[in-house]
Amino acid sequence: DQQVKQNSPSLSVQEGRISILNCDYTNSMFDYFLWYKKYPAEGPTFLISISSIKDKNEDGRFTVFLNKSAKHLSLHIVPSQPGDSAVYFCAASGYTGANSKLTFGKGITLSVRP
Amino acid sequence: NAGVTQTPKFQVLKTGQSMTLQCAQDMNHNSMYWYRQDPGMGLRLIYYSASEGTTDKGEVPNGYNVSRLNKREFSLRLESAAPSQTSVYFCASGRQGVNSPLHFGNGTRLTVT
Repeated sequence: DQQVKQNSPSLSVQEGRISILNCDYTNSMFDYFLWYKKYPAEGPTFLISISSIKDKNEDGRFTVFLNKSAKHLSLHIVPSQPGDSAVYFCAASGYTGANSKLTFGKGITLSVRP
Repeated sequence: NAGVTQTPKFQVLKTGQSMTLQCAQDMNHNSMYWYRQDPGMGLRLIYYSASEGTTDKGEVPNGYNVSRLNKREFSLRLESAAPSQTSVYFCASGRQGVNSPLHFGNGTRLTVT
């Protein structure tokens, strides 16, 4: 039972254009959402997060949008750069007392063409 | 400023052998986690430790044991390795009880033949 879904396994975008990465979730108890970026042979690196009390969070070229009614979030990268080519994981957690575990999607491989 | 350090980086085991993956963090985090990453499966939680002295099972705990040695260190043990445990293993740490990101190590690539 996959609670965090990234249905598109890959995305290819031209340098300078917008990259939109999508993520859906099924667990209504999730209240904190994150995006991680992963290069080959490295660990995932935190990129940006959003709490369920917000619908948008922006950090430089990266913006995350949250639509709670649709249980959907998306990551926008503008403008896309070749160095953005990596695997992007969507993750979610629900605060349950002292433990806050992250549930990850399967990841999307982003390729930014020069 | 090391963050989360995992050893070894690579390991090859024969079926039935045992080994321990080591993880240490220097960020004074209370919570530590072990994930595995398999192709097409994302990252799945094996075990976690919300604080020193406590451990709990995650999504895929079978075939593994863990030890929270102290606040800094959290080890993962395979008692009798199986080919299905061929994977990349990531350790992570984070602050307990607040919405904050986890910080990951660079992983251990394990092959079981």
